[in-house]
Amino acid sequence: DGGITQSPKYLFRKEGQNVTLSCEQNLNHDAMYWYRQDPGQGLRLIYYSQIVNDFQKGDIAEGYSVSREKKESFPLTVTSAQKNPTAFYLCASSFPGQGTSDTQYFGPGTRLTVL
Amino acid sequence: AQSVTQLDSQVPVFEEAPVELRCNYSSSVSVYLFWYVQYPNQGLQLLLKYLSGSTLVKGINGFEAEFNKSQTSFHLRKPSVHISDTAEYFCAVRGIQGAQKLVFGQGTRLTINP
Repeated sequence: DGGITQSPKYLFRKEGQNVTLSCEQNLNHDAMYWYRQDPGQGLRLIYYSQIVNDFQKGDIAEGYSVSREKKESFPLTVTSAQKNPTAFYLCASSFPGQGTSDTQYFGPGTRLTVL
Repeated sequence: AQSVTQLDSQVPVFEEAPVELRCNYSSSVSVYLFWYVQYPNQGLQLLLKYLSGSTLVKGINGFEAEFNKSQTSFHLRKPSVHISDTAEYFCAVRGIQGAQKLVFGQGTRLTINP
């Protein structure tokens, strides 16, 4: 089945530790995205990548880092510099271009809790 | 830049009643518009989208939405809801040019009561 996988589904970490969230897609999409979801605030864009080996900051990139070494993978690292990391993190991908093929498809999410 | 306002944070309705979830947007350029649904502890699933053409868009699960350019709105409707429609609904917008950045509204929690 084609789709986006995120692992793990639940993640617990101690304050001050870095943690990496996995996102893998087999949809052959060029673009990938990371969003953060907090109650009552909708989704906010952290980072996005339109092509391998290139990525851009979104609206709330501080305290996060990403890499895009392979088309299929876009891992997100939540660093100790992120002041309030507890949240639900969603990964998405799309095939860039105008028309009907520009829809973003989402993974199931990772809920990160920092203790 | 774009922004999205979902006018209701929560909407309770009875089963089999009609529902409308309101979405207004702001943009200085032409836009594409989307509605996504999120069930508890899951990712987002696309309900429907407006790219061009007919302003009435039909989606999955019996939902439809109407794009109104003069009122900058994209309200979501369903004529008769079911218990299984209980979820959070997000309206999103992006400009038709440039990077594929989606801007989301704050979400509307739809609760269906028996």
